[in-house]
Amino acid sequence: KAGVTQTPRYLIKTRGQQVTLSCSPISGHRSVSWYQQTPGQGLQFLFEYFSETQRNKGNFPGRFSGRQFSNSRSEMNVSTLELGDSALYLCASSLDLGVTEAFFGQGTRLTVV
Amino acid sequence: TQLLEQSPQFLSIQEGENLTVYCNSSSVFSSLQWYRQEPGEGPVLLVTVVTGGEVKKLKRLTFQFGDARKDSSLHITAAQPGDTGLYLCAGGRSHDMRFGAGTRLTVKP
Repeated sequence: KAGVTQTPRYLIKTRGQQVTLSCSPISGHRSVSWYQQTPGQGLQFLFEYFSETQRNKGNFPGRFSGRQFSNSRSEMNVSTLELGDSALYLCASSLDLGVTEAFFGQGTRLTVV
Repeated sequence: TQLLEQSPQFLSIQEGENLTVYCNSSSVFSSLQWYRQEPGEGPVLLVTVVTGGEVKKLKRLTFQFGDARKDSSLHITAAQPGDTGLYLCAGGRSHDMRFGAGTRLTVKP
């Protein structure tokens, strides 16, 4: 069974631009969560999607948004990029909503210059 | 504010040594997970502990969940260079999972 796939692996953007990251969960998994990982703040929860609906959201500004498609694939978007948005963005796939185990993709390394 | 405190933050040991890392919280968790993350990669789930007092073994790794379900430990016996990585504990469920800051382990040959 294929794991969680995130694209692209690396991305360099300029301040003020917007970016879209993609995540394909494990086949059969219906929940997708997104996390931001930085050296200073560690892993922080962004949001979770299930059945094409955002079910929970972390403490991030509205510039961070996402969506989920009917095949459970998910995208997250960051608008008006800031230097502080540079981070490893991780997608986690879970079988169902509110379960305890999450399986992560390799992440997208975003650098904002 | 981190709900899960991990210690030590950094650990550098020689191959063959034993070590223990800790994950503590003031909150009760229904379960805790341990992950290992290598540079540039996503965290890989190692184990989930659910029952207070539970002990799980994964080859040379032993995981324990505290009786009160507020803390957990990871013990590695005879560490090897391949054990090098960032060890993260996490608690909660997929819609509100919280991670500790991690213990960065380096095992020198």
